[in-house]
Amino acid sequence: DQQVKQNSPSLSVQEGRISILNCDYTNSMFDYFLWYKKYPAEGPTFLISISSIKDKNEDGRFTVFLNKSAKHLSLHIVPSQPGDSAVYFCAARGSNYKLTFGKGTLLTVNP
Amino acid sequence: DTAVSQTPKYLVTQMGNDKSIKCEQNLGHDTMYWYKQDSKKFLKIMFSYNNKELIINETVPNRFSPKSPDKAHLNLHINSLELGDSAVYFCASSQAAAGVDTQYFGPGTRLTVL
Repeated sequence: DQQVKQNSPSLSVQEGRISILNCDYTNSMFDYFLWYKKYPAEGPTFLISISSIKDKNEDGRFTVFLNKSAKHLSLHIVPSQPGDSAVYFCAARGSNYKLTFGKGTLLTVNP
Repeated sequence: DTAVSQTPKYLVTQMGNDKSIKCEQNLGHDTMYWYKQDSKKFLKIMFSYNNKELIINETVPNRFSPKSPDKAHLNLHINSLELGDSAVYFCASSQAAAGVDTQYFGPGTRLTVL
C-alpha cells in the first residue's frame, strides 16, 4: 500500500529550463511534506518542505506547491542546472514523526 | 565534520551470520532512525528512538534489534542474516521536539548477504 507515490521514475530536462517533479499521496492525515535529494552512494539530503496549512513554499530556485484537495504536491526547479541531477524523494509526515517516502524520481539535467 | 556517520559503509557477509551497523550523530538531535532501502528503491522506516526510547517499530523481523546507548548513537544489530536482508541501510536523526521533522541522513551502509 503506497501512501506516497511518485509516478515518474525519471525526468530529463535541458539546462536552464524548468524541472517539475510530482508526488501524490493518499493519507489525508499527513501534516508535513518534504523533498529530499539523493546523489549516488550518499544519503538523502533535505531540500525543501511545506506544511499542510500552506500551498506554496519557495527557497531560491526551488518551489514546492501543495494541493490538498487533490492530495498532490510538486517541486519546481528553475532554472535547472546540471548539478541538480539526482534522485528526488517526496516524503510525508504522519504520526510519531514517521516519514513515508515515495520511490523517487531520477532527474537528469542536460547541459 | 560529518553530521550523521555510519560504519561500515559496505558489509558483505554470509547467510546466518550476525552483524552490527553503527550510527552516530553530532547534531545534538533527540531522535534517531533506521531506514532500509531495498532493491525496489523504496526507503522504508524500520525504527525510531527518541531520547533513547523506542517510539517507532515497524513490522520488522525480530532478528533486527536496535540499541541506543545514548542520544547520539543508534546501532542496528542483525541476527541470522538472510538473503533478503541485502539492502542499503540509512541512519537519520532529527530534532523532533522542535516540531519540524527535517531528518538528516547518514551516507548509508550497503549490506550484501551471500
